[in-house]
Amino acid sequence: AQRVTQPEKLLSVFKGAPVELKCNYSYSGSPELFWYVQYSRQRLQLLLRHISRESIKGFTADLNKGETSFHLKKPFAQEEDSAMYYCALSLVAGGTSYGKLTFGQGTILTVHP
Amino acid sequence: DTGVSQNPRHKITKRGQNVTFRCDPISEHNRLYWYRQTLGQGPEFLTYFQNEAQLEKSRLLSDRFSAERPKGSFSTLEIQRTEQGDSAMYLCASSFRERAGELFFGEGSRLTVL
Repeated sequence: AQRVTQPEKLLSVFKGAPVELKCNYSYSGSPELFWYVQYSRQRLQLLLRHISRESIKGFTADLNKGETSFHLKKPFAQEEDSAMYYCALSLVAGGTSYGKLTFGQGTILTVHP
Repeated sequence: DTGVSQNPRHKITKRGQNVTFRCDPISEHNRLYWYRQTLGQGPEFLTYFQNEAQLEKSRLLSDRFSAERPKGSFSTLEIQRTEQGDSAMYLCASSFRERAGELFFGEGSRLTVL
């Protein structure tokens, strides 16, 4: 069965510092990986997906199949980045994401002024 | 369209009672998902629909849980004979089949079983 691990429950950085939120997964096939974010008093929303290879709000994430990791990075953290971040995995069938997501436990990021 | 809406937002019930939650997805979306989230955990998959067909149910979902999406639009999640362990946030999400994995979540329905 697939599994997503986010080893840090809490992560604190100062504004302007680099930030990296770790995500490791276990799955024998080729999954699709996502990062979801939940800001205070807002609903859970998609931040980015690995196939898009986009930078969203300055965040990037690279899928490393050798290390089975999908760490989220931002070179200069901002106070508005403070939120709960979830890494999620979807199985892929026929080149299309299955849709059913397995989430990690989440990391609370706090960016101090 | 204001996004995925769920109601009620909060429900407090006594053990043994039945509860029903409703989810109205984004109207163009053909997939609808239910997740459960407890404190300190990520969302946990319960079940999902493509149009009106329920395609998968989690093995963790007991027989007391039932979900429907009768006309391929809104969905209901019913929990019968609630137990204290059912206390959680129940999240609904929807997506296009072609962009499955890109879920749009509702604000959730919080259940407290006394």
